[in-house]
Amino acid sequence: DTAVSQTPKYLVTQMGNDKSIKCEQNLGHDTMYWYKQDSKKFLKIMFSYNNKELIINETVPNRFSPKSPDKAHLNLHINSLELGDSAVYFCASSQTGLKFNEQFFGPGTRLTVL
Amino acid sequence: KQEVTQIPAALSVPEGENLVLNCSFTDSAIYNLQWFRQDPGKGLTSLLLIQSSQREQTSGRLNASLDKSSGRSTLYIAASQPGDSATYLCAVNFGNEKLTFGTGTRLTIIP
Repeated sequence: DTAVSQTPKYLVTQMGNDKSIKCEQNLGHDTMYWYKQDSKKFLKIMFSYNNKELIINETVPNRFSPKSPDKAHLNLHINSLELGDSAVYFCASSQTGLKFNEQFFGPGTRLTVL
Repeated sequence: KQEVTQIPAALSVPEGENLVLNCSFTDSAIYNLQWFRQDPGKGLTSLLLIQSSQREQTSGRLNASLDKSSGRSTLYIAASQPGDSATYLCAVNFGNEKLTFGTGTRLTIIP
């Protein structure tokens, strides 16, 4: 199936731990994104990479570090997890100039920090 | 500040009725606007994308309109079905490579 996939789907961890979420897209897109959906269901951009280069970095604590090893992957590493990091994290991708940069989303990773 | 608003936050409609979901945005200089559907505990499914030069887009029973001058978009759902129950999200690309989302309208179709 052509899609945006994320692993893991659920992540439960203790405060202070370091964790990573992985994202892969096989749509051949050149741009990938991380969004955060908080407890009130509000979605907000965190990062965007185009051809492995960081192009958007919203006001996100530097405990969050995205890494793009290639165009098809964008991983999110979070250090020293805090209770407020509990949320659903969505990865998305788009192709510059294709269908006006329509974005396609992964299924989300629900992170719970205890 | 570029913001997207969706009102109402929740809407219940009897099955079979036509309905309209509303989205408003503060900056008329948009690149495109996407409507998404989100089922509980699931990801986002892209329903329709309207580019800035278009007035509407249609897919099956869905029709999305765009009025940039008034900063509004609507999503029209014809002949609603229980399977249409979900949260509908409006997201605007203001030309800065990211989507700015509204808070969504939770739609319930009553059988």
